[in-house]
Amino acid sequence: DAGVIQSPRHEVTEMGQEVTLRCKPISGHNSLFWYRQTMMRGLELLIYFNNNVPIDDSGMPEDRFSAKMPNASFSTLKIQPSEPRDSAVYFCASSFNTYTEAFFGQGTRLTVV
Amino acid sequence: AQKVTQAQTEISVVEKEDVTLDCVYETRDTTYYLFWYKQPPSGELVFLIRRNSFDEQNEISGRYSWNFQKSTSSFNFTITASQVVDSAVYFCALSEVGSARQLTFGSGTQLTVLP
Repeated sequence: DAGVIQSPRHEVTEMGQEVTLRCKPISGHNSLFWYRQTMMRGLELLIYFNNNVPIDDSGMPEDRFSAKMPNASFSTLKIQPSEPRDSAVYFCASSFNTYTEAFFGQGTRLTVV
Repeated sequence: AQKVTQAQTEISVVEKEDVTLDCVYETRDTTYYLFWYKQPPSGELVFLIRRNSFDEQNEISGRYSWNFQKSTSSFNFTITASQVVDSAVYFCALSEVGSARQLTFGSGTQLTVLP
């Protein structure tokens, strides 16, 4: 299996622009997680899906963030409008279920200038 | 609420030394899972081990070993005969079966192994 695939690997955008991060989970995994990693806050769970349904989005910082999972093989995390404080590495991870080990993608390094 | 504490922010050892990374967790659930992940300088997060709350047997995998003690709510990770390639940030994580909030990570321990 190719593992969790995220795109793009790097994104530089101007403040106010819309940013869309993409994730393809491992085939057969039922749970998908979006994390954000910063020096100040470490690894934060933003949202997770189980069987394509959002279960807990309490980690989403504000309404500028939204996530979708239209099918079992694709998810997006959108930031609109983006702000410099959104600069971070965003990880997508998938697991067989919500409490087995999660496998992470390589991350998207987002820089908002 | 679940919580994971990794009190050691940074550890530096010389190659071939043994090193133990501490992890203390808090949970109200009786059924939960504990994990260790490694994040090398390249940035990816690599799964190392999962342990469930009913299995307190220690585990050894090559130079890696894990000590799970429910009495002290700890899940410590020991690297024996450390190598330079072990240099990374190591994260402990907790997942409660009964909670909607999953995979809470500790703040990580930066391990540097010097040649």
